[in-house]
Amino acid sequence: AQKVTQAQTEISVVEKEDVTLDCVYETRDTTYYLFWYKQPPSGELVFLIRRNSFDEQNEISGRYSWNFQKSTSSFNFTITASQVVDSAVYFCALSDEGVGGAQKLVFGQGTRLTINP
Amino acid sequence: SQTIHQWPATLVQPVGSPLSLECTVEGTSNPNLYWYRQAAGRGLQLLFYSVGIGQISSEVPQNLSASRPQDRQFILSSKKLLLSDSGFYLCAWGTAGTEAFFGQGTRLTVV
Repeated sequence: AQKVTQAQTEISVVEKEDVTLDCVYETRDTTYYLFWYKQPPSGELVFLIRRNSFDEQNEISGRYSWNFQKSTSSFNFTITASQVVDSAVYFCALSDEGVGGAQKLVFGQGTRLTINP
Repeated sequence: SQTIHQWPATLVQPVGSPLSLECTVEGTSNPNLYWYRQAAGRGLQLLFYSVGIGQISSEVPQNLSASRPQDRQFILSSKKLLLSDSGFYLCAWGTAGTEAFFGQGTRLTVV
């Protein structure tokens, strides 16, 4: 069965520090997708990135970067020069194909990130 | 562009009362639709999903049910709420092989 582990329940750093959120996954599928979502205090889930299992290139988007390593089944997320607005709960998720091609998501427990001014 | 609407935003219901949460999507056809629940301090769990009108797949046996009466409408229901049904309910839509886009969520408190 699919499983996602985010071992860091809470992280607190001072603004401008770099911070890495860890994500480890388990799957027997050869093709799958990995995702990161941000949940600000308002509650909605904001999509950040989707990564195909065949694409191990790291990705950078502004202050955000993602490191996908299939050998260790990890998909870690780094925020560089953190800002107070980055404070949120971050979820890592793994796709699990359902009936009719539905993309079910298996979520980790989330990491609550607090950026202090 | 596609948008997803979910209502109500908050709801307080007594134990044993019925429930109906509605979700609609605009700007796309034949989307896959999902209901997730986030219990307090926990991750998100998929409850139901649908790949077409009248087609419902249940992930977790429970006190809830789902229906899809129209292509872009997804409803979560209960005949009699339990205290354990409290949580944050999120509707989402997507297509095969793409990310899921979530609604604003409904915070349900059963008292």
